[in-house]
This record gives sequence, structure tokens and C-alpha cells, in this order.
Amino acid sequence: DGGITQSPKYLFRKEGQNVTLSCEQNLNHDAMYWYRQDPGQGLRLIYYSQIVNDFQKGDIAEGYSVSREKKESFPLTVTSAQKNPTAFYLCASSIVGGGGYNEQFFGPGTRLTVL
Amino acid sequence: AQSVAQPEDQVNVAEGNPLTVKCTYSVSGNPYLFWYVQYPNRGLQFLLKYITGDNLVKGSYGFEAEFNKSQTSFHLKKPSALVSDSALYFCAVRDRDDKIIFGKGTRLHILP
Repeated sequence: DGGITQSPKYLFRKEGQNVTLSCEQNLNHDAMYWYRQDPGQGLRLIYYSQIVNDFQKGDIAEGYSVSREKKESFPLTVTSAQKNPTAFYLCASSIVGGGGYNEQFFGPGTRLTVL
Repeated sequence: AQSVAQPEDQVNVAEGNPLTVKCTYSVSGNPYLFWYVQYPNRGLQFLLKYITGDNLVKGSYGFEAEFNKSQTSFHLKKPSALVSDSALYFCAVRDRDDKIIFGKGTRLHILP
């Protein structure tokens, strides 16, 4: 999982609470991504950012928010508006440009459970 | 829109036998294709990618993938399976803005 850290590894939330998942990378990558993984559904993109202070919605952004104040950091907030937040959340990063050949590097993930 | 399909939810292979995990793709333009592996409760690890050139791509841990343009396929292969290869495998394709679209994954079981 080199170079990308996510914390915490496990997170429990009561209904109605907002929680923030941390993602930090020391790979000097410009782009960062948040995915949600549910059994049998693969990875679905929540938000992504290609540059500091800018980010774009992915396929399932509703109920989530992000910020990108520093190149190294891309925290994800799961708000109370997210109807079914229990899932495994993965953060990734990559370089930008270079013809689009760029693989993504993943963190170890955070498993969020709503009680 | 770009997409990949992994037609098998699960593949079982005896240890020592060759393995194949299937992937087909649908893209406009040149395909940039990837394979990743995920072990339980871990993030994804990059295995290999196809950009252009040789249709047989070699990657990590002895894996390789064969790009077939006429069949729009990018199957993952390994000549001799190990029990430690048991994991969840994802095929993926590059989308615009350097995004990657992932397939739903194929769970590989290597039987001792």
C-alpha cells in the first residue's frame, strides 16, 4: 500500500453523525481519489481531485464531501445525508498527464460501520 | 462510455495448474487497460497495464495478460497457480481525466 495512509482502519458511526476519513500520500501525486467498495459491486468513484483546491464529483457523490487544501491530503466526510454509509472506503492517488497511462496507488482502506 | 466486464464472479483452480481470469472491454479510442489484485481487508495492488505495443504484458508476481483487439479482451494469466494467489482481481480501463473504471471483480480460489 506504499505511500498512502488511511485512518482509522475501522470506524463506527451512529446514525445522524458526520464522520471524516483521512487520506494522506507522500508520493507527490497530483491526483487523488475516493472509492466506495461494496460486496459484488466493485469500486465506485465518490470524488476525485486533480489539483489542490479543486475536486470533481464521481458517480456516487451524494451524501459525501471532500476538501483538497494540501497536495498530500484528501479527507472524505460522510455526512448524515448518506443513506447507507456502511462500506469499505478506499483512497488512491496517481500522477496526472503523461498520456493517461497512469496506474493508481491505493491506501489500505477504512471500514465504516453505522450502528 | 468506457467499460470493462468480468464475466466470472469466481474462478477455482487447482494449485500448480494454469489460471485465467477473464476481462472484456468497450472503449472509444485506444484502450488503456489495467489489472489489480486485492487481498482481504486491504487496498488494491497494481499488477500490470497495457498501453500499446506487445500484446502480451508481463506484470508482478508472475502474472501476465494478453491483449486481444479483435475479441476486445484482456485476460489475466499465470502458468502455475499458487495458493497465495487466492484473492479478488479487478480489471480496469482508463476513462477521461485520468479516472479509472473498474470491473466488479473476480474472486480467485486456488485449491491446494
